[in-house]
Amino acid sequence: KAGVTQTPRYLIKTRGQQVTLSCSPISGHRSVSWYQQTPGQGLQFLFEYFSETQRNKGNFPGRFSGRQFSNSRSEMNVSTLELGDSALYLCASSATGGRNTEAFFGQGTRLTVV
Amino acid sequence: GQSLEQPSEVTAVEGAIVQINCTYQTSGFYGLSWYQQHDGGAPTFLSYNGLDGLEETGRFSSFLSRSDSYGYLLLQELQMKDSASYFCALLADKLIFGTGTRLQVFP
Repeated sequence: KAGVTQTPRYLIKTRGQQVTLSCSPISGHRSVSWYQQTPGQGLQFLFEYFSETQRNKGNFPGRFSGRQFSNSRSEMNVSTLELGDSALYLCASSATGGRNTEAFFGQGTRLTVV
Repeated sequence: GQSLEQPSEVTAVEGAIVQINCTYQTSGFYGLSWYQQHDGGAPTFLSYNGLDGLEETGRFSSFLSRSDSYGYLLLQELQMKDSASYFCALLADKLIFGTGTRLQVFP
């Protein structure tokens, strides 16, 4: 069974630009969550999508958005990039999210904003 | 809100036992999970405690005490490959992670 796939693995963008990251969950998994990981802040929850609907949202500005498609693939978008958005963005899939006890993470997308 | 605290770094030698503590504040949760992340890698699931007490999985054990708002991960017979960051995470309607503990194992 293929794991969680995130593309691209690395990205360099300029301040003010926007970026779209992609996540393909494990086949059959319907929940996709996104996290931002930085050295000082650890993994911070961005949002979770389940069956194409945003089910939970973290404490991030509206510049961060996402969506999920009918095949459970998910994208997240960051508009008007700031230097502080430089981070590793991880997505995690699980069968149902919520009380599902195990989440499977992708390798992440390393975003650098210059 | 929910928050979790872990020591930032722990060091130990091969063959030793190490305990990584996690204290939390939350209004409600289903259980406490632990994840391992090697440098440059993805976090991987290690264990989950839905109930108070000890869960054992090979060399790793995890413990939860809801009355003390406390949990720990116990790693036995440490190996060099155990050098990684370890995160506790509260499972509520979403997973909320602690800031992680970097474990360095020395020969």
